[in-house]
Amino acid sequence: EVQLVESGGVVVQPGGSLRLSCAASGFTFDDYAMHWVRQAPGKGLEWVSLISWDGGSTYYADSVKGRFTISRDNSKNSLYLQMNSLRAEDTALYYCAKDILDYGDYVFDYWGQGTLVTVSS
Amino acid sequence: EIVLTQSPGTLSLSPGERATLSCRASQSVSSSYLAWYQQKPGQAPRLLIYGASSRATGIPDRFSGSGSGTDFTLTISRLEPEDFAVYYCQQYGSSPPTTFGQGTKLEIK
Repeated sequence: EVQLVESGGVVVQPGGSLRLSCAASGFTFDDYAMHWVRQAPGKGLEWVSLISWDGGSTYYADSVKGRFTISRDNSKNSLYLQMNSLRAEDTALYYCAKDILDYGDYVFDYWGQGTLVTVSS
Repeated sequence: EIVLTQSPGTLSLSPGERATLSCRASQSVSSSYLAWYQQKPGQAPRLLIYGASSRATGIPDRFSGSGSGTDFTLTISRLEPEDFAVYYCQQYGSSPPTTFGQGTKLEIK
């Protein structure tokens, strides 16, 4: 059974930093691209970032480019999102999502339950 | 960036009825790279349809997708109680970025 478990979400002040983690199990982690997708409270879905199976390719939404960094450790079956210079508009539930392909087809066939990031003073 | 507009915003139907949800793109979605997701309150989204019409693993055949270019449709042939949820369309033919519609809430009448 595929499982994705996010952690690291907390309340942080504007301008602060945070690192989210996602522990994956139930599939061959290094065969697939991975994503972060977020959902602001009561709002829709917004794609945040993609990393290819080997970490060699990464992509970001314009809204987070230059502030967020996606990475993965295939030896630990883990995905990460380093978030810097946080803003109030980054407040959201952050989901880790598995892609259906290795380099990234942007189709998300499994999702975690999310970790809540709140940016507030 | 391709903008997706879903209609209606809310759809009120009864179990057993047929549901038709629309997703319109601001420009043509290449190769019908259009997906649909279902999200229930307090849960993560669930992939239903990709490639405009291919059902994801384990999705019942009462769910079907159709369309091409700028107009796409998700049809639920006969609503079950568990189908009442919010549905999102997503285009991934022009990625990055991939974009989502704003959602259609399917509620019990």
